[in-house]
Amino acid sequence: EAQVTQNPRYLITVTGKKLTVTCSQNMNHEYMSWYRQDPGLGLRQIYYSMNVEVTDKGDVPEGYKVSRKEKRNFPLILESPSPNQTSLYFCASSFLQGGTEAFFGQGTRLTVV
Amino acid sequence: GIQVEQSPPDLILQEGANSTLRCNFSDSVNNLQWFHQNPWGQLINLFYIPSGTKQNGRLSATTVATERYSLLYISSSQTTDSGVYFCAVEVKRTGTASKLTFGTGTRLQVTL
Repeated sequence: EAQVTQNPRYLITVTGKKLTVTCSQNMNHEYMSWYRQDPGLGLRQIYYSMNVEVTDKGDVPEGYKVSRKEKRNFPLILESPSPNQTSLYFCASSFLQGGTEAFFGQGTRLTVV
Repeated sequence: GIQVEQSPPDLILQEGANSTLRCNFSDSVNNLQWFHQNPWGQLINLFYIPSGTKQNGRLSATTVATERYSLLYISSSQTTDSGVYFCAVEVKRTGTASKLTFGTGTRLQVTL
């Protein structure tokens, strides 16, 4: 089954404790991205990647890192989480060709206290 | 950047009723998708519909790209249809994929 898998689904952590949210897709997609969803602000892109070792900033990259060492995986790294990063996070993937369907993971609900 | 407006913002229906949700966008698009966000926060793909009409069970969607709008029809609504419906578009440009820009959503509540 074609899918995007994120882990964990729920996470509560403390300020400053490094964490990684994993994302994996099985559709051989080149384009992967991370979004965060906040009340009143909608979904906003954090980072994206067009292929292995090719990443770039989206609209709200501050406080986040990503890596793309393998085509299928695109982890989101919070080196020093802060309470303003409490949010619902989604990973998405699609083919590199513009205009193709994007698939989203199940979401990760992160709370930073 | 592109503007994506959805209407109505909120909708309350009795079970069995029909409804139409609208998405207007301000620029040419490569891609348009409809999603349902359920109460647990999951985004469920409903339709990939950059143009034309598609149907899936009680749901159908139509996109008129030249007039920059899309409609989502829900017939014989059920309580499990409750949640927020998002329209998302990818701005048309040559070459590679780009981000999806989401509308503000329509919050649907279906009551017994």
